[in-house]
Amino acid sequence: DAGVIQSPRHEVTEMGQEVTLRCKPISGHDYLFWYRQTMMRGLELLIYFNNNVPIDDSGMPEDRFSAKMPNASFSTLKIQPSEPRDSAVYFCASSPPSGVQETQYFGPGTRLLVL
Amino acid sequence: GNSVTQMEGPVTLSEEAFLTINCTYTATGYPSLFWYVQYPGEGLQLLLKATKADDKGSNKGFEATYRKETTSFHLEKGSVQVSDSAVYFCALSDLDTGRRALTFGSGTRLQVQP
Repeated sequence: DAGVIQSPRHEVTEMGQEVTLRCKPISGHDYLFWYRQTMMRGLELLIYFNNNVPIDDSGMPEDRFSAKMPNASFSTLKIQPSEPRDSAVYFCASSPPSGVQETQYFGPGTRLLVL
Repeated sequence: GNSVTQMEGPVTLSEEAFLTINCTYTATGYPSLFWYVQYPGEGLQLLLKATKADDKGSNKGFEATYRKETTSFHLEKGSVQVSDSAVYFCALSDLDTGRRALTFGSGTRLQVQP
């Protein structure tokens, strides 16, 4: 398997622009997670899905952030409008179906810089 | 709520030295515990895990034992290599809360010098 795929790997944009990050989970995994990593706050969970349904979005910073999972093989995280404080590395991770196996498999991340 | 506390870094060691990175946790139930490693410019990779008390996770020469009595999951390696230089994250998953997400520590950067 190719692992979790994220695109783009790097994104530079100007304040106020819309940013869309994309993720393809590992086939057969029914949990998908979006995390944000910054120097100040470390790794934070933003939202996670189970079977394409958002389960916990309590980590989404504000209304400027939205996430969707239209099908089992694709998810997006959108920031509109973007702000400099959104600069971070955004990770997508996926996990197998419910049970003892809780391991999350991470993508390579998208490094976002908002100028 | 759940939390994970790791020792502050960076940890700087010479090649072949012994490594310990401390990790303690607070959880409402009986969590599973994980160590993830992040190499420069990459995502996190699972290093090892333990799902119940007294379990020992091991991989690539790294070991960690789930100690319920001390709520700890310290990472150890007997002889580090330059290629072990990375950031190490301790994490827990507490399915008893019904929440699937991992709670991470702040990460500990390890630098191994030749």
